[in-house]
Amino acid sequence: QVQLVQSGAEVKKPGASVMVSCKASGYSFTTYGITWVRQAPGQGLEWMGWIDTYNGNRDYAQKFQGRVTMTTDTATRTAYMDLRSLRSDDTAVYFCARGGAKFEYWGQGTLVTVSS
Amino acid sequence: SYELTQPPSVSVSPGQTARITCSGDALPKQDAYWYQQKPGQAPFLVISQNTERPSGIPERFSGSGSGTTVTLTISGVQAEDEADYYCQSADSSGAWVFGGGTKLTVL
Repeated sequence: QVQLVQSGAEVKKPGASVMVSCKASGYSFTTYGITWVRQAPGQGLEWMGWIDTYNGNRDYAQKFQGRVTMTTDTATRTAYMDLRSLRSDDTAVYFCARGGAKFEYWGQGTLVTVSS
Repeated sequence: SYELTQPPSVSVSPGQTARITCSGDALPKQDAYWYQQKPGQAPFLVISQNTERPSGIPERFSGSGSGTTVTLTISGVQAEDEADYYCQSADSSGAWVFGGGTKLTVL
């Protein structure tokens, strides 16, 4: 069955970077892109961007341009989301989801806490 | 920036029909998707491309649209349907946007 398993919770200081991983199984990895979505505590969903796992093309939300990098490792079927220059308002649960438009499968979420 | 507007909350009694709306200027031209999210869980797709119900989704969930508004309808609401619901669509540049979410309370 399709599974997306994300890395564990992180605590970071303001100004630091965080990398969240998303390991896929149960389907052909390069057939579907990977999208990243975050959710601040008690808030709604926010689309961060998408990476085409076949050719590496990326599309980032304007809000995160220059601060986020999405990559994949097809050998290990893993997607990565790197967010730099963290601020307290980056505290959120970060989700990966399969696909670029219709998100049928999601990772379990990774809590990233930014605190001094 | 583009916004999708949802009511913050909807309340219905069991067995009644719940309707959750999502408004956005680009909705006549862009597909809409609906997700259910329960506390502590990842979102779950319940309606795809405006009206399609993914495999395994109960028939009581349906989607429709008219002009700049799309609607998620849950007929015969059950206690297990209590959750947050989010619409998703794209702006004119193709960037995905989520609505602010609607908390469905089953009285």
